Amino acid sequence: SFELTQPPSVSVSPGQTAKITCSGDALPKQYAYWYQQKPGQAPVLVILKDSERPSGIPERFSGSSSGTTVTLTISGVQAEDEADYYCQSADSSGIFVFGTGTKVTVL
Amino acid sequence: QVQLQESGPGLVKPSETLSLTCSVSGDSITGYYWSWIRQPAGKGLEWIGRIYSSGSSTYKPSLKSRVTMSVDTSKNQFYLKLISVTAADTAVYYCARGLLGELLNWGQGTVVTVNS
Repeated sequence: SFELTQPPSVSVSPGQTAKITCSGDALPKQYAYWYQQKPGQAPVLVILKDSERPSGIPERFSGSSSGTTVTLTISGVQAEDEADYYCQSADSSGIFVFGTGTKVTVL
Repeated sequence: QVQLQESGPGLVKPSETLSLTCSVSGDSITGYYWSWIRQPAGKGLEWIGRIYSSGSSTYKPSLKSRVTMSVDTSKNQFYLKLISVTAADTAVYYCARGLLGELLNWGQGTVVTVNS
């Protein structure tokens, strides 16, 4: 199976933009998904198929893809966005893989 | 809206079998993929495997020899069995629903500790 690599942490001031990257060799061929997880809670899907936003997810969350890297962007970061973020993808046989996770700290 | 609820023993002895149930309410279990994911305390998410409502399953290769998933459409439930557990299997276990590659809806998670 493949691996997905994320930076361990990202720090951002309120109102600024946070960018979280996820790198993996399979990403040019497979969609990526992003999840937000707050302490003590289950993950929540915030981006699907690289750049689509599920119903109910604020517009400040967006996703993009370029080659072997996908990026989750949080524009106009709010204090409530402080959380762990995980990317996820699947290989051609349907094996899912999660990224290593990124802790977003709002300063 | 769909809701998922994990249930099962919170404590399992080493070398024994971990058995969990995910009960689905608010929608039919038919026509979706159902996954199990776990998360050791302070660590990242690990996908265990998934099962389609028809019973077809896919497992993480490193766990495949120990994992069995099943589904009961009449009860709107699906199940996880993990044999020969060790302390490394201690984690919060989540069940989740998806259509294709995503995990759209999640249960709240259940803590399973492996300890004698």
